[in-house]
Amino acid sequence: NAGVTQTPKFRILKIGQSMTLQCAQDMNHNYMYWYRQDPGMGLKLIYYSVGAGITDKGEVPNGYNVSRSTTEDFPLRLELAAPSQTSVYFCASSYSGGLAPSQETQYFGPGTRLLVL
Amino acid sequence: RKEVEQDPGPFNVPEGATVAFNCTYSNSASQSFFWYRQDCRKEPKLLMSVYSSGNEDGRFTAQLNRASQYISLLIRDSKLSDSATYLCVVILGGSYIPTFGRGTSLIVHP
Repeated sequence: NAGVTQTPKFRILKIGQSMTLQCAQDMNHNYMYWYRQDPGMGLKLIYYSVGAGITDKGEVPNGYNVSRSTTEDFPLRLELAAPSQTSVYFCASSYSGGLAPSQETQYFGPGTRLLVL
Repeated sequence: RKEVEQDPGPFNVPEGATVAFNCTYSNSASQSFFWYRQDCRKEPKLLMSVYSSGNEDGRFTAQLNRASQYISLLIRDSKLSDSATYLCVVILGGSYIPTFGRGTSLIVHP
């Protein structure tokens, strides 16, 4: 299993440009998440999905959009990039709904470092 | 009050030391608890789940105190390789949406 994969690893955007951060998992997990992590800070939830076709906002959704057409893929779309979106973006997945806490373990992708200038 | 609070540190300890971190949570309906480890410029990875009865994995011991609403992580015989940020994660019952603490930085020096 590849686990959770993310592309690209690093990207520089100009203000106002748009891009899609790709995320895929091959563990048949039902839940998927997008987080951002600013330097020295914790992870903030942007969007999450409980299954194909179902998405919901997290703590900081403004400026982002997501879709979940398949169980495996959960792309994050940035429209009109702003310097405040400079951050490291992590995608994660978990099998949630299990009986044991250990089944709710989140598996993270390696992250995408985004710089908006 | 933040939902999940951690002392950011850094905790600077010599090799072989014992170090403990606490993490407090505000919602008494929290059901699942975890410690994750994050190395510099890397993704978080699960260190251990925290069970009501407490659990141990080698040099690491995690405990839950529901009455006082905190979890703890104890690291014995610290190694240089333990240097990392330790993230506390709490999940509310029935939500499956985790809340991360800001993390506690540990630096183990020779």
